[in-house]
Amino acid sequence: DAGVIQSPRHEVTEMGQEVTLRCKPISGHNSLFWYRQTMMRGLELLIYFNNNVPIDDSGMPEDRFSAKMPNASFSTLKIQPSEPRDSAVYFCASSLALSGTGNQPQHFGDGTRLSIL
Amino acid sequence: KQEVTQIPAALSVPEGENLVLNCSFTDSAIYNLQWFRQDPGKGLTSLLLIQSSQREQTSGRLNASLDKSSGRSTLYIAASQPGDSATYLCAVSGSWGNQFYFGTGTSLTVIP
Repeated sequence: DAGVIQSPRHEVTEMGQEVTLRCKPISGHNSLFWYRQTMMRGLELLIYFNNNVPIDDSGMPEDRFSAKMPNASFSTLKIQPSEPRDSAVYFCASSLALSGTGNQPQHFGDGTRLSIL
Repeated sequence: KQEVTQIPAALSVPEGENLVLNCSFTDSAIYNLQWFRQDPGKGLTSLLLIQSSQREQTSGRLNASLDKSSGRSTLYIAASQPGDSATYLCAVSGSWGNQFYFGTGTSLTVIP
C-alpha cells in the first residue's frame, strides 16, 4: 500500500515567494491533516479536512496560509508571501475517520522541509 | 488547552535493556492516545493507539498502557535494539475538538 505522499521533499526559496506544498492521502482515507513541526513549538496542527471539507483551520497562523482539498486524493497548503519564520517541516497525515472520535490512527507522510531565506 | 508532556526528553540505554517512556496529559477527557516513532528526516510512524476505554495495547516488543484518570501513559519497550533508536511521541485527542495534541517527544538511543 502506498502511504501518504508529499511533495516536494525539500523546498528552498526566497522571502516573499509563493510556496505550494502538496499531499496525496492514502486511498480511501476521508480525513486529512496538515501539521507544522519546529524545534521551538514541536508538532502543531494547522488545519484538517473531513470528506474534502475544511473542519477546523484555527491552527493556521496567518492569512498568508491557505489550504485546499479539491478532491479526495489531493490537498495543497500554500504560503503567500513566505517569510523566514515559516521555515519548518510540514507534514500531511490522513486517516479513515476523524481520529478524535474514531479508533483509526493517523498515517503521516515524510514531510516537506521548507527553508525560507 | 490540553498539554502533553514527555519525560525524559532524551534517553540512552545499552542494547538488550527494557525501558519505559512516559507521557502525561492535563485533560483526562480524551478519546484516544497514540504513540508514534519518528526517525531523522522522516515522518511519524504509528506504533500503537489506545482507546479511552482500554487499559493497554501490545504490538511485538511494545506495550502501551493508559491510566486516563491520572492522565498518564507509558510505552514499554522490551529487549531494546539499536534499530529502536528514534524519537518517540505521544498524542492525545478528545472532546475539546477533533485534533491531536502532541508531546515534544523522547529521543531514544540504544547503544550496541
